[in-house]
Amino acid sequence: EDQVTQSPEALRLQEGESSSLNCSYTVSGLRGLFWYRQDPGKGPEFLFTLYSAGEEKEKERLKATLTKKESFLHITAPKPEDSATYLCAVQEGEGSTLGRLYFGRGTQLTVWP
Amino acid sequence: DAGVTQSPTHLIKTRGQQVTLRCSPKSGHDTVSWYQQALGQGPQFIFQYYEEEERQRGNFPDRFSGHQFPNYSSELNVNALLLGDSALYLCASSSGWEQFFGPGTRLTVL
Repeated sequence: EDQVTQSPEALRLQEGESSSLNCSYTVSGLRGLFWYRQDPGKGPEFLFTLYSAGEEKEKERLKATLTKKESFLHITAPKPEDSATYLCAVQEGEGSTLGRLYFGRGTQLTVWP
Repeated sequence: DAGVTQSPTHLIKTRGQQVTLRCSPKSGHDTVSWYQQALGQGPQFIFQYYEEEERQRGNFPDRFSGHQFPNYSSELNVNALLLGDSALYLCASSSGWEQFFGPGTRLTVL
């Protein structure tokens, strides 16, 4: 069973058209939830860490939020350079001191002019 | 300050061969994790090294092995390569909860 599910798989937006990406998780004892951006053929680039329900973080046009079951990545007035695959990952915490990340399959975002 | 570096960037091997991939962590980081990313999928955890010991392992066969050196750099070795081992291999380094990834090594098995 997948611990992390991302939706939609792909999203096409016109420049300036705001939207949200979803990440739902089933791990118990969440230690942290991470958002990464990945360009084709490259390694994931760290964006945000969220640790507890109700937490929010912002960076330029991106805002990440966290509830007890899911996280949203809100993209406000996107630009073509925001086109990438956005990956969500979770890290379990209860009874563990280890740092394994469980990733979703990602949402491929395309922003056209 | 250099981030996480990996070598080589690309590699082509044939079935049955062995391969070694290398990773240098970000300055100040002491933990290295390896992930395999197949096309169109999210990264899958292979294993994690800390203080030169493998301290957690994902669901990968013993053909996948690794090593961490005293300077915290790491190697991933894969023996008896299969076609299904073709993927982007990612190294991530950390000193806390957040993991920072390198550019990856693209392995193609023919």
